[in-house]
Amino acid sequence: SYDLTQPPSVSVSPGQTANITCSGDRLENEYVCWYQQKPGQSPVLVIYQDDKRPSGIPERFSGSNSGNTATLTISETQPMDEADYYCQAWDSSILYVFGTGTRVTVL
Amino acid sequence: QVQLLQSGTEVKKPGASVKVSCKASGYSFPSYGVTWVRQAPGQGLEWVGWTAPYNGNTNTAEKLQGRVTMTTDTSTSTAYMELRTLRSDDTAVYFCARHGNGADYWGQGTLVTVTP
Repeated sequence: SYDLTQPPSVSVSPGQTANITCSGDRLENEYVCWYQQKPGQSPVLVIYQDDKRPSGIPERFSGSNSGNTATLTISETQPMDEADYYCQAWDSSILYVFGTGTRVTVL
Repeated sequence: QVQLLQSGTEVKKPGASVKVSCKASGYSFPSYGVTWVRQAPGQGLEWVGWTAPYNGNTNTAEKLQGRVTMTTDTSTSTAYMELRTLRSDDTAVYFCARHGNGADYWGQGTLVTVTP
């Protein structure tokens, strides 16, 4: 099976930058999406195809994917960004795989 | 606007089956796949499977193969996920999502509780 590993938690001060990593074998060969999930809510897509933002997602969310690691960057983090974040990779062979999830705390 | 409306909470006994529905609106249902994802209490997201309304193709997570059936009804724009031989570790919130550029629209989730 294909595994995607994320740090369990990331802490960031308001206004600072949070970087959330997602590691998987030759991940750069797959498309990566990122989802934000707040308690009791359904996930929300914040990044697709490695670095594209859906309409309505703030510009402070950005993504990259190189080598074995994809990264979600939240610039000028706001208290409303406090949530769980999941990476997800897919292609014709592995279909959907979710990362282990990262809880972002805005202190 | 795109909406996915799921059926309500289910409580089942071990060994039983459950069928969750997901009614889509606001877009051309046959034009997008439907992904199913589940989340056990306090745990992360787990992919269940994917189905294509336009041709009926499906793909299922390896650990659930043989117990899951995903179908669609294009006449009512509804997707269904049936899970059989339920076990306690199937207790989770089950989500449907439209597969566009990633899972871009999600249902509200359906809690399935498996308890003796």
